[in-house]
Amino acid sequence: DQQVKQNSPSLSVQEGRISILNCDYTNSMFDYFLWYKKYPAEGPTFLISISSIKDKNEDGRFTVFLNKSAKHLSLHIVPSQPGDSAVYFCAASETGNQFYFGTGTSLTVIP
Amino acid sequence: EPEVTQTPSHQVTQMGQEVILRCVPISNHLYFYWYRQILGQKVEFLVSFYNNEISEKSEIFDDQFSVERPDGSNFTLKIRSTKLEDSAMYFCASSESPPGYTFGSGTRLTVV
Repeated sequence: DQQVKQNSPSLSVQEGRISILNCDYTNSMFDYFLWYKKYPAEGPTFLISISSIKDKNEDGRFTVFLNKSAKHLSLHIVPSQPGDSAVYFCAASETGNQFYFGTGTSLTVIP
Repeated sequence: EPEVTQTPSHQVTQMGQEVILRCVPISNHLYFYWYRQILGQKVEFLVSFYNNEISEKSEIFDDQFSVERPDGSNFTLKIRSTKLEDSAMYFCASSESPPGYTFGSGTRLTVV
């Protein structure tokens, strides 16, 4: 099952800079997209969502961009903070119920 | 901030035994979910539950799995006869309205 892919297993960014996490998907029927972050020994924490009727959604330091034609979404974190260091998962769904998760990107923000 | 509570945090069970994983969703949420993550693999959807019935389930959710909302606050996942490959982190989640839901901290199930 490779419907959602995060091709970068890890990313390191200096504090204050922009973090860009990428996600690709294969199913053109996906209409709902989520980003979660996860700390070790904890459950995923919801960050931000976007539906296919929009191409951008912003919430504070977090912005998600959706390019439906390219089947690509990205999460921008500006400015990056050390507390943002975690594993970030993108997830996609046709119905908003069953989500398919990517394998995650481990973000390290260097002070 | 409201949270989804899962108990126990870690459960060890013998192969072939039945196990029940418990979850208390956020009180005003109506949609409930179970996901699992086998070590080193992706988070995988198991089942969604709404209005006292399963709304969607994945191929993983076969006859050995069942879910129940036995009262107004708990949501349980039962695995009837556990196998070694059922060892994973099991996450419960709930939502007021999809998409976007709140996950619990998970139950680590170890089948020996």
